[in-house]
Amino acid sequence: GQQVMQIPQYQHVQEGEDFTTYCNSSTTLSNIQWYKQRPGGHPVFLIQLVKSGEVKKQKRLTFQFGEAKKNSSLHITATQTTDVGTYFCAGSNTNAGKSTFGDGTTLTVKP
Amino acid sequence: GAVVSQHPSRVICKSGTSVKIECRSLDFQATTMFWYRQFPKQSLMLMATSNEGSKATYEQGVEKDKFLINHASLTLSTLTVTSAHPEDSSFYICSARVSSGVSDTQYFGPGTRLTVL
Repeated sequence: GQQVMQIPQYQHVQEGEDFTTYCNSSTTLSNIQWYKQRPGGHPVFLIQLVKSGEVKKQKRLTFQFGEAKKNSSLHITATQTTDVGTYFCAGSNTNAGKSTFGDGTTLTVKP
Repeated sequence: GAVVSQHPSRVICKSGTSVKIECRSLDFQATTMFWYRQFPKQSLMLMATSNEGSKATYEQGVEKDKFLINHASLTLSTLTVTSAHPEDSSFYICSARVSSGVSDTQYFGPGTRLTVL
């Protein structure tokens, strides 16, 4: 079945440093979503990427979908303590199909 | 954005009892809802896809007689954990799908933490 792998599992950075998490799928995806889960909270939808090579930005967050639509990345510029949490990618190989979640990358930020 | 609620948020029960968890889409209709289970510090594992008006589709390894799903209306899906045991203790999260063309977004409920004694 479809597998979605995410690296790294954990990332600890100093406030102000950049952070990147990578997501790789075993199959070509129709779309990929990114979520953020704060400690003790539930996943919150951040963005969806659909097009090959697509790049989207949300303030300090940059999301990228690979040309082959099998990988994606989330980059945070100049991290802040409010960025702490676990970032999950979730990919679907059909437009209306279920999504498979990666294992997540847990980000901690030292002030 | 779309709002999904879950009730209860936390439940503690004795082993052998059944627990029902409700998932509601508050300001939209959802023909499809998903039920996930999340163990501490782990990812979300899809348990089943709940389709309004039809039987749920369960993922491999998930016992359908153990985890009963009912999607009776376009705004409500329920998950019943029957004869709960301590190993069923977990964080259960539902989500509702909103689809439009190529856009497909899931909105998550706040989750239900189940503890079976």
